[in-house]
Amino acid sequence: EADIYQTPRYLVIGTGKKITLECSQTMGHDKMYWYQQDPGMELHLIHYSYGVNSTEKGDLSSESTVSRIRTEHFPLTLESARPSHTSQYLCASSVAGNTIYFGEGSWLTVV
Amino acid sequence: QQQVKQSPQSLIVQKGGISIINCAYENTAFDYFPWYQQFPGKGPALLIAIRPDVSEKKEGRFTISFNKSAKQFSLHIMDSQPGDSATYFCAARHMNRDDKIIFGKGTRLHILP
Repeated sequence: EADIYQTPRYLVIGTGKKITLECSQTMGHDKMYWYQQDPGMELHLIHYSYGVNSTEKGDLSSESTVSRIRTEHFPLTLESARPSHTSQYLCASSVAGNTIYFGEGSWLTVV
Repeated sequence: QQQVKQSPQSLIVQKGGISIINCAYENTAFDYFPWYQQFPGKGPALLIAIRPDVSEKKEGRFTISFNKSAKQFSLHIMDSQPGDSATYFCAARHMNRDDKIIFGKGTRLHILP
């Protein structure tokens, strides 16, 4: 079982608020990812990181930002949340790109 | 341009039947083809994977069939059970880009009890 943790699991927040979704992994993986997914739907890569101080935009444009100051930590931030940001956000990590391990997801609802 | 095409989008199978999900790709530089299983409220988890040097891989009731010349691969679930009801994603990895895996759009599988 993968050791990748996301907090909070569920968040309801008002429009305009700043939010940070936390993601931590204890496997020492260099590569980490953020995916956005509506329930049961397609996985959209929004950010990824090769390692510390490395971040790249994914295939789906996102207003969120990420940082990678420590290998094990890859937080995602929305400076000003909007209802269109309502979705599930999945953090993941991998080593050598073979198997991607996903966290259980953070469900964000912006009202 | 979708690099990995998955079908069907949804599938209903009777308990005990065979569930079949198909995927096709264009890029011959893909060298690793995993399948992920996702239950509601959970993140996807690796189910089974195959490399293009073999035509079939079986793990329990789950089998991947791989056709390199047709650039197609499929997941077969034998003796399907209600507990198999989930969303399934096929995926592919580029041999020179091991940092990203390309996912199909997913198939929602429902097994009738």
